[in-house]
Amino acid sequence: ETGVTQTPRHLVMGMTNKKSLKCEQHLGHNAMYWYKQSAKKPLELMFVFKEQTENNSVPSRFSPECPNSSHLFLHLHTLQPEDSALYLCASSQDYGGGTETQYFGPGTRLLVL
Amino acid sequence: GQNIDQPTEMTATEGAIVQINCTYQTSGFNGLFWYQQHAGEAPTFLSYNVLDGLEEKGRFSSFLSRSKGYSYLLLKELQMKDSASYLCAVRDSNYQLIWGAGTKLIIKP
Repeated sequence: ETGVTQTPRHLVMGMTNKKSLKCEQHLGHNAMYWYKQSAKKPLELMFVFKEQTENNSVPSRFSPECPNSSHLFLHLHTLQPEDSALYLCASSQDYGGGTETQYFGPGTRLLVL
Repeated sequence: GQNIDQPTEMTATEGAIVQINCTYQTSGFNGLFWYQQHAGEAPTFLSYNVLDGLEEKGRFSSFLSRSKGYSYLLLKELQMKDSASYLCAVRDSNYQLIWGAGTKLIIKP
């Protein structure tokens, strides 16, 4: 498999559930990202992983995990209906300079009831 | 604050040419990206501009004017498969990507 993959593609969860999103990149990149995409709104950067984690002021009900440079998880707990969105994973060769391009996975469409 | 503006939606005819504009106000500038995103799919990279001028890549071209804080994506010989959202993003002085909300392009026969 090539590129960036995400599972599951669709997820419905209640506000008291705990679930995890998974991302895997097969590009040999060193940096990975989680984005939130809501309808008619700009992409919101949630987390960046490059040697260490950078958190863009994301609520603690979102908990990222990056066990190695190829895998990324987003653990979800006690979410709110307004958290319903498309969650995109991306990777790039480097972070913090240069012309590196981000490559995206297909996303997980999340619905919180 | 930082802001990227692009039209919400545009309509064009198959075979025609369309220009999607993007204006930006950011703290610093380290390049501008255009991505294409089909409904339910991943955004895919189209072009990157860091110097003023036109970059041509097949049917797609991207233009940048840093002094005006302005870019456009030009699509020629439109095909039905070009129906998608087009995202403009600017890398600021901290090398963070600032994204526009995207332009939904509808192609009619």
